[in-house]
Amino acid sequence: GQQLNQSPQSMFIQEGEDVSMNCTSSSIFNTWLWYKQEPGEGPVLLIALYKAGELTSNGRLTAQFGITRKDSFLNISASIPSDVGIYFCAGQRQGNQGGKLIFGQGTELSVKP
Amino acid sequence: EPEVTQTPSHQVTQMGQEVILRCVPISNHLYFYWYRQILGQKVEFLVSFYNNEISEKSEIFDDQFSVERPDGSNFTLKIRSTKLEDSAMYFCASSEYAGTNYGYTFGSGTRLTVV
Repeated sequence: GQQLNQSPQSMFIQEGEDVSMNCTSSSIFNTWLWYKQEPGEGPVLLIALYKAGELTSNGRLTAQFGITRKDSFLNISASIPSDVGIYFCAGQRQGNQGGKLIFGQGTELSVKP
Repeated sequence: EPEVTQTPSHQVTQMGQEVILRCVPISNHLYFYWYRQILGQKVEFLVSFYNNEISEKSEIFDDQFSVERPDGSNFTLKIRSTKLEDSAMYFCASSEYAGTNYGYTFGSGTRLTVV
């Protein structure tokens, strides 16, 4: 099936450290998205990527759309306690007309003050 | 900022009962979606809906499920004869068009607990 493999599954870091997580797929995606989810809430969009090779920043967050269109990474620099949450990658397949998103399994981030 | 609103926030139901989860999408959006997230797992696509019909559905979205836009503002997910394994967070989303660069927004979800 259409799978996004996201790693790592969880991270425990010290405040101020940088974080990196990534998603890979055996299929080509024409859009990559990174979401953050906090307990009891829906996913909130952090960064959207639409072109292969695109590198986009949103404050301390940087994400890239892989050249092969089969992967993406998200970096968080100088982490702070409010970065805690679950980060999901999501993709939209090439040719998909119905707007369906496929999600990765999530990376749970814990930040120690 | 425009929001997708879901009600109720939490629903508890007896196994075998029918439930209706409600969503109010963003007003100028034309595409509507339901996703499901079982506790501790990833978000899974259930169905997309456009122009009063289903555009795409996943294997999860079997005959037990149905969607409807009963009026100009609401979008509902009905689950008939609920099972224990239907317990999950259900998220509604909407977008202006099918692409993710058209304001694709998720609601805060309804936690469904089947007992």
